[in-house]
Amino acid sequence: EAGVTQFPSHSVIEKGQTVTLRCDPISGHDNLYWYRRVMGKEIKFLLHFVKESKQDESGMPNNRFLAERTGGTYSTLKVQPAELEDSGVYFCASSQVGALTGELFFGEGSRLTVL
Amino acid sequence: AQSVTQPDIHITVSEGASLELRCNYSYGATPYLFWYVQSPGQGLQLLLKYFSGDTLVQGIKGFEAEFKRSQSSFNLRKPSVHWSDAAEYFCAVGPFNTDKLIFGTGTRLQVFP
Repeated sequence: EAGVTQFPSHSVIEKGQTVTLRCDPISGHDNLYWYRRVMGKEIKFLLHFVKESKQDESGMPNNRFLAERTGGTYSTLKVQPAELEDSGVYFCASSQVGALTGELFFGEGSRLTVL
Repeated sequence: AQSVTQPDIHITVSEGASLELRCNYSYGATPYLFWYVQSPGQGLQLLLKYFSGDTLVQGIKGFEAEFKRSQSSFNLRKPSVHWSDAAEYFCAVGPFNTDKLIFGTGTRLQVFP
Protein backbone atom coordinates (compact mmCIF):
# COMPACT_ATOMS: atom_id res chain seq x y z
CA GLU A 1 0.00 0.00 0.00
CA ALA A 2 1.34 3.41 -0.95
CA GLY A 3 2.16 5.81 1.83
CA VAL A 4 1.62 9.55 1.96
CA THR A 5 3.28 11.20 -1.01
CA GLN A 6 4.22 14.83 -1.36
CA PHE A 7 5.29 16.84 -4.38
CA PRO A 8 7.62 18.54 -5.01
CA SER A 9 10.28 17.29 -2.66
CA HIS A 10 12.13 20.59 -2.94
CA SER A 11 11.13 23.94 -4.39
CA VAL A 12 13.27 27.05 -4.69
CA ILE A 13 11.44 30.27 -5.52
CA GLU A 14 11.98 33.97 -5.22
CA LYS A 15 10.16 36.22 -2.81
CA GLY A 16 6.83 37.25 -4.26
CA GLN A 17 6.36 34.14 -6.37
CA THR A 18 3.72 31.49 -5.90
CA VAL A 19 4.23 27.86 -4.97
CA THR A 20 1.76 25.03 -4.73
CA LEU A 21 2.53 21.93 -2.69
CA ARG A 22 0.59 18.75 -3.18
CA CYS A 23 -0.17 15.88 -0.85
CA ASP A 24 -1.69 12.50 -1.68
CA PRO A 25 -2.83 10.78 1.52
CA ILE A 26 -3.15 7.08 2.09
CA SER A 27 -6.23 5.83 0.31
CA GLY A 28 -9.25 5.75 2.59
CA HIS A 29 -7.85 8.20 5.13
CA ASP A 30 -10.44 10.90 5.71
CA ASN A 31 -8.16 12.95 7.96
CA LEU A 32 -5.43 15.01 6.33
CA TYR A 33 -3.10 17.39 8.12
CA TRP A 34 -0.49 19.95 7.13
CA TYR A 35 2.43 20.77 9.40
CA ARG A 36 5.47 22.99 8.89
CA ARG A 37 8.96 22.97 10.30
CA VAL A 38 11.03 26.10 10.07
CA MET A 39 14.72 25.24 10.27
CA GLY A 40 15.81 24.25 13.75
CA LYS A 41 12.43 24.80 15.29
CA GLU A 42 9.48 22.63 16.21
CA ILE A 43 7.06 21.09 13.78
CA LYS A 44 3.95 23.27 13.86
CA PHE A 45 0.38 22.39 12.99
CA LEU A 46 -1.14 24.31 10.12
CA LEU A 47 -4.54 22.76 9.44
CA HIS A 48 -6.70 19.65 9.43
CA PHE A 49 -9.15 18.39 6.85
CA VAL A 50 -11.83 15.81 7.37
CA LYS A 51 -12.69 14.70 3.88
CA GLU A 52 -13.05 17.96 1.97
CA SER A 53 -13.94 20.12 4.98
CA LYS A 54 -11.52 22.22 6.98
CA GLN A 55 -11.87 21.00 10.54
CA ASP A 56 -9.25 23.24 12.10
CA GLU A 57 -7.20 25.88 10.36
CA SER A 58 -6.00 27.65 13.48
CA GLY A 59 -2.35 27.17 12.59
CA MET A 60 -2.41 28.86 9.20
CA PRO A 61 0.01 31.78 9.47
CA ASN A 62 -1.87 34.34 7.37
CA ASN A 63 -4.03 34.74 4.30
CA ARG A 64 -1.11 34.15 1.95
CA PHE A 65 -1.64 30.45 2.62
CA LEU A 66 -4.54 28.62 1.00
CA ALA A 67 -5.23 24.93 1.48
CA GLU A 68 -7.75 22.92 -0.47
CA ARG A 69 -8.88 19.33 -0.61
CA THR A 70 -11.29 19.04 -3.46
CA GLY A 71 -13.26 15.82 -3.48
CA GLY A 72 -11.71 14.72 -0.23
CA THR A 73 -8.73 13.07 -1.86
CA TYR A 74 -5.47 14.91 -2.46
CA SER A 75 -4.74 18.30 -0.96
CA THR A 76 -2.85 21.35 -2.12
CA LEU A 77 -1.23 24.11 -0.11
CA LYS A 78 -0.61 27.31 -2.01
CA VAL A 79 1.60 30.12 -0.80
CA GLN A 80 0.99 33.38 -2.63
CA PRO A 81 3.01 35.58 -2.55
CA ALA A 82 5.85 33.77 -0.83
CA GLU A 83 7.94 35.56 1.78
CA LEU A 84 11.37 34.70 3.14
CA GLU A 85 9.92 33.46 6.44
CA ASP A 86 7.86 30.86 4.60
CA SER A 87 10.99 28.77 4.02
CA GLY A 88 10.88 25.43 5.74
CA VAL A 89 9.73 21.86 5.37
CA TYR A 90 6.02 21.30 4.85
CA PHE A 91 4.77 17.95 6.04
CA CYS A 92 1.53 16.31 5.14
CA ALA A 93 0.06 13.52 7.23
CA SER A 94 -3.04 11.40 7.03
CA SER A 95 -4.94 9.27 9.48
CA GLN A 96 -7.91 6.95 9.43
CA VAL A 97 -9.30 7.82 12.87
CA GLY A 98 -7.46 10.95 13.94
CA ALA A 99 -4.16 12.18 15.34
CA LEU A 100 -4.81 11.43 19.00
CA THR A 101 -6.66 8.14 19.02
CA GLY A 102 -5.02 6.84 15.88
CA GLU A 103 -1.71 7.29 14.17
CA LEU A 104 -0.45 9.96 11.84
CA PHE A 105 1.27 8.73 8.70
CA PHE A 106 3.62 11.38 7.40
CA GLY A 107 5.00 12.08 3.98
CA GLU A 108 8.67 12.88 3.50
CA GLY A 109 7.94 16.57 3.33
CA SER A 110 8.29 19.33 0.76
CA ARG A 111 11.23 21.62 1.38
CA LEU A 112 10.49 25.20 0.38
CA THR A 113 13.29 27.71 -0.02
CA VAL A 114 12.32 31.33 -0.62
CA LEU A 115 15.16 33.56 -1.81
CA ALA B 1 -0.19 27.50 26.50
CA GLN B 2 0.73 23.93 25.78
CA SER B 3 4.36 23.30 24.91
CA VAL B 4 6.90 20.54 24.61
CA THR B 5 10.56 20.82 25.54
CA GLN B 6 13.25 18.53 24.26
CA PRO B 7 16.37 19.90 25.94
CA ASP B 8 18.88 17.88 23.94
CA ILE B 9 19.31 19.04 20.35
CA HIS B 10 21.93 16.45 19.48
CA ILE B 11 22.99 13.23 21.22
CA THR B 12 25.79 10.88 20.25
CA VAL B 13 26.02 7.33 21.56
CA SER B 14 28.01 4.23 20.73
CA GLU B 15 26.25 1.26 19.24
CA GLY B 16 25.12 -1.06 22.01
CA ALA B 17 24.92 1.70 24.61
CA SER B 18 21.72 2.61 26.37
CA LEU B 19 19.74 5.67 25.38
CA GLU B 20 17.42 8.12 27.08
CA LEU B 21 15.88 11.07 25.28
CA ARG B 22 14.23 13.66 27.45
CA CYS B 23 10.84 15.27 26.95
CA ASN B 24 8.95 17.65 29.21
CA TYR B 25 5.55 19.07 28.48
CA SER B 26 3.42 21.89 29.74
CA TYR B 27 -0.29 21.20 29.91
CA GLY B 28 -3.03 21.59 32.49
CA ALA B 29 -4.05 17.96 32.52
CA THR B 30 -2.63 14.68 31.27
CA PRO B 31 -2.55 14.91 27.52
CA TYR B 32 -2.02 12.28 24.91
CA LEU B 33 1.77 11.84 24.61
CA PHE B 34 3.70 10.62 21.59
CA TRP B 35 7.15 9.88 20.29
CA TYR B 36 7.74 10.02 16.55
CA VAL B 37 10.96 9.25 14.68
CA GLN B 38 12.18 10.57 11.36
CA SER B 39 14.87 8.48 9.72
CA PRO B 40 16.89 10.00 6.87
CA GLY B 41 14.83 10.33 3.71
CA GLN B 42 11.62 9.20 5.35
CA GLY B 43 8.53 10.69 6.90
CA LEU B 44 7.87 10.72 10.62
CA GLN B 45 6.84 7.37 12.08
CA LEU B 46 5.01 6.74 15.34
CA LEU B 47 7.15 4.92 17.90
CA LEU B 48 4.68 4.84 20.78
CA LYS B 49 1.98 6.79 22.54
CA TYR B 50 0.41 7.14 25.96
CA PHE B 51 -2.94 8.29 27.19
CA SER B 52 -3.81 6.32 30.29
CA GLY B 53 -3.05 3.11 32.12
CA ASP B 54 0.40 1.70 32.69
CA THR B 55 2.87 4.57 32.76
CA LEU B 56 5.55 2.48 31.06
CA VAL B 57 4.69 2.19 27.38
CA GLN B 58 6.28 -0.21 24.93
CA GLY B 59 6.74 0.80 21.33
CA ILE B 60 8.19 -0.45 18.10
CA LYS B 61 11.88 -1.08 17.43
CA GLY B 62 12.56 -1.90 21.09
CA PHE B 63 11.76 1.57 22.43
CA GLU B 64 9.86 2.35 25.59
CA ALA B 65 8.79 5.54 27.33
CA GLU B 66 7.77 6.32 30.87
CA PHE B 67 5.17 8.90 31.82
CA LYS B 68 5.89 10.71 35.07
CA ARG B 69 3.06 13.01 36.04
CA SER B 70 4.96 14.65 38.90
CA GLN B 71 7.74 15.69 36.54
CA SER B 72 5.57 16.34 33.46
CA SER B 73 7.96 14.13 31.58
CA PHE B 74 7.72 11.42 28.96
CA ASN B 75 11.28 10.23 28.37
CA LEU B 76 12.12 7.74 25.66
CA ARG B 77 14.51 4.87 26.36
CA LYS B 78 16.19 2.00 24.63
CA PRO B 79 18.52 -0.43 26.42
CA SER B 80 20.85 -1.07 23.49
CA VAL B 81 21.08 1.25 20.50
CA HIS B 82 21.60 -0.04 16.95
CA TRP B 83 23.23 1.92 14.15
CA SER B 84 19.86 2.01 12.36
CA ASP B 85 18.43 4.07 15.24
CA ALA B 86 20.30 7.12 13.99
CA ALA B 87 17.48 9.55 13.26
CA GLU B 88 15.66 12.57 14.64
CA TYR B 89 13.21 11.96 17.46
CA PHE B 90 10.21 14.13 18.21
CA CYS B 91 8.13 14.21 21.35
CA ALA B 92 4.59 15.51 20.98
CA VAL B 93 1.49 16.17 23.03
CA GLY B 94 -2.11 16.05 21.91
CA PRO B 95 -4.40 18.30 23.93
CA PHE B 96 -7.94 17.17 24.63
CA ASN B 97 -10.71 18.32 22.35
CA THR B 98 -8.32 18.89 19.49
CA ASP B 99 -6.99 16.68 16.78
CA LYS B 100 -3.58 18.21 16.43
CA LEU B 101 -0.18 17.51 17.87
CA ILE B 102 2.23 19.96 19.47
CA PHE B 103 5.77 18.89 18.76
CA GLY B 104 9.06 19.59 20.42
CA THR B 105 12.08 20.80 18.50
CA GLY B 106 13.46 17.29 18.10
CA THR B 107 16.60 15.46 19.21
CA ARG B 108 19.01 14.24 16.57
CA LEU B 109 20.63 10.93 17.49
CA GLN B 110 23.97 9.95 16.08
CA VAL B 111 25.25 6.39 16.60
CA PHE B 112 28.92 5.50 16.40
CA PRO B 113 30.04 1.92 15.67
